[in-house]
Amino acid sequence: GAVVSQHPSRVICKSGTSVKIECRSLDFQATTMFWYRQFPKQSLMLMATSNEGSKATYEQGVEKDKFLINHASLTLSTLTVTSAHPEDSSFYICSARDIEGGWANYGYTFGSGTRLTVV
Amino acid sequence: GENVEQHPSTLSVQEGDSAVIKCTYSDSASNYFPWYKQELGKRPQLIIDIRSNVGEKKDQRIAVTLNKTAKHFSLHITETQPEDSAVYFCAATGANNLFFGTGTRLTVIP
Repeated sequence: GAVVSQHPSRVICKSGTSVKIECRSLDFQATTMFWYRQFPKQSLMLMATSNEGSKATYEQGVEKDKFLINHASLTLSTLTVTSAHPEDSSFYICSARDIEGGWANYGYTFGSGTRLTVV
Repeated sequence: GENVEQHPSTLSVQEGDSAVIKCTYSDSASNYFPWYKQELGKRPQLIIDIRSNVGEKKDQRIAVTLNKTAKHFSLHITETQPEDSAVYFCAATGANNLFFGTGTRLTVIP
Protein backbone atom coordinates (compact mmCIF):
# COMPACT_ATOMS: atom_id res chain seq x y z
CA GLY A 1 0.00 0.00 0.00
CA ALA A 2 0.85 3.66 -0.07
CA VAL A 3 3.57 4.72 2.34
CA VAL A 4 4.46 8.18 3.60
CA SER A 5 7.85 8.63 5.22
CA GLN A 6 8.17 11.49 7.72
CA HIS A 7 11.41 12.78 9.23
CA PRO A 8 12.60 13.49 11.78
CA SER A 9 10.56 11.49 14.26
CA ARG A 10 11.75 13.60 17.15
CA VAL A 11 13.50 16.94 17.31
CA ILE A 12 14.49 19.22 20.14
CA CYS A 13 15.44 22.76 19.25
CA LYS A 14 16.22 25.98 20.98
CA SER A 15 13.71 28.78 21.08
CA GLY A 16 14.13 31.10 18.13
CA THR A 17 15.54 28.53 15.74
CA SER A 18 13.81 26.94 12.77
CA VAL A 19 12.97 23.30 12.24
CA LYS A 20 12.19 21.55 8.96
CA ILE A 21 10.00 18.47 8.79
CA GLU A 22 9.88 16.37 5.64
CA CYS A 23 7.23 14.08 4.29
CA ARG A 24 7.84 11.86 1.30
CA SER A 25 5.43 9.65 -0.55
CA LEU A 26 7.48 6.54 -1.29
CA ASP A 27 5.53 4.67 -3.91
CA PHE A 28 2.98 7.08 -5.23
CA GLN A 29 2.65 10.64 -6.38
CA ALA A 30 1.00 12.90 -3.89
CA THR A 31 -0.45 15.94 -5.56
CA THR A 32 -1.93 16.99 -2.25
CA MET A 33 -0.47 16.78 1.23
CA PHE A 34 -1.97 17.81 4.53
CA TRP A 35 -0.22 18.98 7.66
CA TYR A 36 -1.73 18.43 11.09
CA ARG A 37 -0.75 19.44 14.59
CA GLN A 38 -1.74 17.47 17.65
CA PHE A 39 -1.29 18.76 21.18
CA PRO A 40 -1.25 16.26 24.06
CA LYS A 41 -4.60 14.59 24.62
CA GLN A 42 -6.17 16.57 21.79
CA SER A 43 -7.31 15.86 18.28
CA LEU A 44 -5.46 16.32 15.03
CA MET A 45 -5.98 19.86 13.84
CA LEU A 46 -5.56 20.56 10.15
CA MET A 47 -2.99 23.31 9.69
CA ALA A 48 -2.70 23.55 5.94
CA THR A 49 -3.17 21.82 2.64
CA SER A 50 -0.35 21.86 0.17
CA ASN A 51 -0.65 21.22 -3.53
CA GLU A 52 2.32 20.45 -5.69
CA GLY A 53 3.53 23.49 -7.52
CA SER A 54 1.26 26.00 -5.84
CA LYS A 55 0.93 27.88 -2.58
CA ALA A 56 -0.40 26.09 0.45
CA THR A 57 -3.84 26.83 1.81
CA TYR A 58 -3.78 27.54 5.51
CA GLU A 59 -6.57 26.99 7.98
CA GLN A 60 -7.89 29.92 9.95
CA GLY A 61 -5.62 30.85 12.81
CA VAL A 62 -2.49 29.25 11.39
CA GLU A 63 0.28 31.75 10.66
CA LYS A 64 1.57 31.09 7.16
CA ASP A 65 4.74 33.11 7.77
CA LYS A 66 5.56 30.98 10.78
CA PHE A 67 4.70 27.60 9.29
CA LEU A 68 6.26 27.55 5.86
CA ILE A 69 5.09 24.78 3.59
CA ASN A 70 6.80 23.78 0.40
CA HIS A 71 5.50 21.13 -1.98
CA ALA A 72 8.01 21.38 -4.77
CA SER A 73 7.63 17.87 -6.13
CA LEU A 74 4.99 15.18 -6.34
CA THR A 75 6.74 13.15 -3.65
CA LEU A 76 7.98 15.71 -1.15
CA SER A 77 6.37 18.28 1.08
CA THR A 78 8.16 20.14 3.87
CA LEU A 79 6.94 22.08 6.86
CA THR A 80 9.32 24.58 8.39
CA VAL A 81 8.54 25.95 11.81
CA THR A 82 10.30 29.30 11.86
CA SER A 83 11.45 31.07 15.00
CA ALA A 84 10.09 28.25 17.10
CA HIS A 85 8.84 28.93 20.62
CA PRO A 86 7.91 26.55 23.44
CA GLU A 87 4.23 26.88 22.58
CA ASP A 88 5.01 25.35 19.18
CA SER A 89 5.99 22.12 20.89
CA SER A 90 3.61 19.54 19.52
CA PHE A 91 3.19 16.41 17.43
CA TYR A 92 3.20 17.30 13.75
CA ILE A 93 1.93 14.76 11.27
CA CYS A 94 1.48 14.82 7.53
CA SER A 95 -0.94 13.02 5.31
CA ALA A 96 -0.83 12.48 1.60
CA ARG A 97 -3.49 11.46 -0.86
CA ASP A 98 -2.90 8.60 -3.22
CA ILE A 99 -5.79 9.21 -5.50
CA GLU A 100 -4.70 6.38 -7.76
CA GLY A 101 -4.57 3.97 -4.85
CA GLY A 102 -8.20 3.05 -5.00
CA TRP A 103 -10.89 3.07 -2.43
CA ALA A 104 -8.97 1.31 0.33
CA ASN A 105 -8.58 4.46 2.37
CA TYR A 106 -9.87 7.10 0.01
CA GLY A 107 -6.23 7.96 -0.57
CA TYR A 108 -5.29 9.27 2.89
CA THR A 109 -1.99 7.92 4.18
CA PHE A 110 -0.32 9.31 7.27
CA GLY A 111 3.31 9.86 8.05
CA SER A 112 4.67 8.60 11.35
CA GLY A 113 4.68 12.03 12.94
CA THR A 114 7.31 14.37 14.37
CA ARG A 115 7.50 15.19 18.05
CA LEU A 116 8.83 18.75 18.27
CA THR A 117 10.07 20.07 21.59
CA VAL A 118 11.19 23.68 21.77
CA VAL A 119 13.30 24.52 24.80
CA GLY B 1 -14.84 24.33 6.83
CA GLU B 2 -16.22 21.14 8.27
CA ASN B 3 -16.97 20.89 12.01
CA VAL B 4 -16.91 17.41 13.48
CA GLU B 5 -18.10 16.75 17.01
CA GLN B 6 -17.46 13.50 18.82
CA HIS B 7 -18.91 11.97 21.97
CA PRO B 8 -18.11 10.72 24.51
CA SER B 9 -14.61 12.00 25.21
CA THR B 10 -13.92 9.01 27.47
CA LEU B 11 -15.55 5.61 27.57
CA SER B 12 -14.89 2.66 29.86
CA VAL B 13 -16.42 -0.73 29.20
CA GLN B 14 -16.00 -4.20 30.60
CA GLU B 15 -14.25 -6.70 28.39
CA GLY B 16 -16.78 -8.40 26.17
CA ASP B 17 -19.24 -5.51 26.25
CA SER B 18 -19.97 -3.22 23.32
CA ALA B 19 -18.73 0.32 22.83
CA VAL B 20 -20.43 3.02 20.80
CA ILE B 21 -18.89 6.33 19.76
CA LYS B 22 -20.93 8.98 17.99
CA CYS B 23 -20.00 11.85 15.71
CA THR B 24 -21.85 14.65 13.99
CA TYR B 25 -20.69 16.77 11.10
CA SER B 26 -21.77 20.09 9.70
CA ASP B 27 -20.97 20.07 5.99
CA SER B 28 -23.66 18.30 4.03
CA ALA B 29 -21.20 17.97 1.14
CA SER B 30 -19.00 15.59 3.15
CA ASN B 31 -19.09 12.17 1.61
CA TYR B 32 -16.40 10.09 3.28
CA PHE B 33 -16.28 9.17 6.96
CA PRO B 34 -13.31 7.22 8.28
CA TRP B 35 -12.59 6.09 11.81
CA TYR B 36 -9.07 5.97 13.17
CA LYS B 37 -7.45 4.33 16.16
CA GLN B 38 -4.41 6.11 17.55
CA GLU B 39 -1.87 4.76 19.99
CA LEU B 40 0.08 7.30 22.02
CA GLY B 41 2.66 9.10 19.89
CA LYS B 42 1.85 7.16 16.73
CA ARG B 43 0.07 7.84 13.49
CA PRO B 44 -3.68 7.27 13.22
CA GLN B 45 -4.59 3.84 11.91
CA LEU B 46 -7.67 3.49 9.75
CA ILE B 47 -9.99 0.88 11.21
CA ILE B 48 -13.11 1.30 9.12
CA ASP B 49 -14.66 3.85 6.80
CA ILE B 50 -17.91 4.50 5.02
CA ARG B 51 -19.03 6.51 2.05
CA SER B 52 -22.16 8.59 1.91
CA ASN B 53 -23.94 6.23 -0.43
CA VAL B 54 -23.89 3.49 2.20
CA GLY B 55 -25.82 3.40 5.47
CA GLU B 56 -23.90 0.72 7.31
CA LYS B 57 -20.68 -1.20 7.01
CA LYS B 58 -19.31 -4.02 9.12
CA ASP B 59 -15.91 -5.60 9.49
CA GLN B 60 -15.83 -8.40 12.06
CA ARG B 61 -16.30 -6.75 15.47
CA ILE B 62 -16.40 -3.23 14.11
CA ALA B 63 -19.31 -1.53 12.40
CA VAL B 64 -20.09 1.99 11.30
CA THR B 65 -23.49 3.50 10.64
CA LEU B 66 -24.23 6.71 8.79
CA ASN B 67 -27.33 8.88 8.81
CA LYS B 68 -26.83 11.51 6.12
CA THR B 69 -30.10 13.26 6.83
CA ALA B 70 -29.19 13.84 10.44
CA LYS B 71 -25.49 14.25 9.62
CA HIS B 72 -24.28 11.80 12.18
CA PHE B 73 -22.32 8.58 12.12
CA SER B 74 -21.36 6.07 14.77
CA LEU B 75 -18.72 3.46 15.49
CA HIS B 76 -19.77 0.23 17.13
CA ILE B 77 -17.28 -2.21 18.61
CA THR B 78 -18.66 -5.48 19.87
CA GLU B 79 -17.03 -8.07 22.14
CA THR B 80 -14.45 -5.54 23.23
CA GLN B 81 -10.98 -6.71 24.16
CA PRO B 82 -8.25 -5.01 26.21
CA GLU B 83 -6.27 -4.37 23.04
CA ASP B 84 -9.13 -2.21 21.80
CA SER B 85 -8.09 0.35 24.43
CA ALA B 86 -6.89 3.45 22.55
CA VAL B 87 -8.03 6.83 21.37
CA TYR B 88 -10.51 6.74 18.51
CA PHE B 89 -11.12 9.59 16.10
CA CYS B 90 -13.89 10.03 13.61
CA ALA B 91 -13.32 12.20 10.58
CA ALA B 92 -15.24 13.65 7.69
CA THR B 93 -14.25 14.94 4.33
CA GLY B 94 -15.82 16.33 1.24
CA ALA B 95 -13.76 17.23 -1.75
CA ASN B 96 -10.37 17.14 -0.16
CA ASN B 97 -9.64 18.05 3.43
CA LEU B 98 -10.01 15.56 6.26
CA PHE B 99 -11.34 17.01 9.51
CA PHE B 100 -11.13 15.08 12.75
CA GLY B 101 -13.43 14.79 15.70
CA THR B 102 -12.16 15.53 19.19
CA GLY B 103 -11.40 11.92 20.03
CA THR B 104 -12.66 9.28 22.44
CA ARG B 105 -10.40 7.52 24.88
CA LEU B 106 -11.71 3.98 25.12
CA THR B 107 -10.65 1.83 28.05
CA VAL B 108 -11.58 -1.83 28.08
CA ILE B 109 -11.43 -3.23 31.58
CA PRO B 110 -10.33 -6.88 31.75
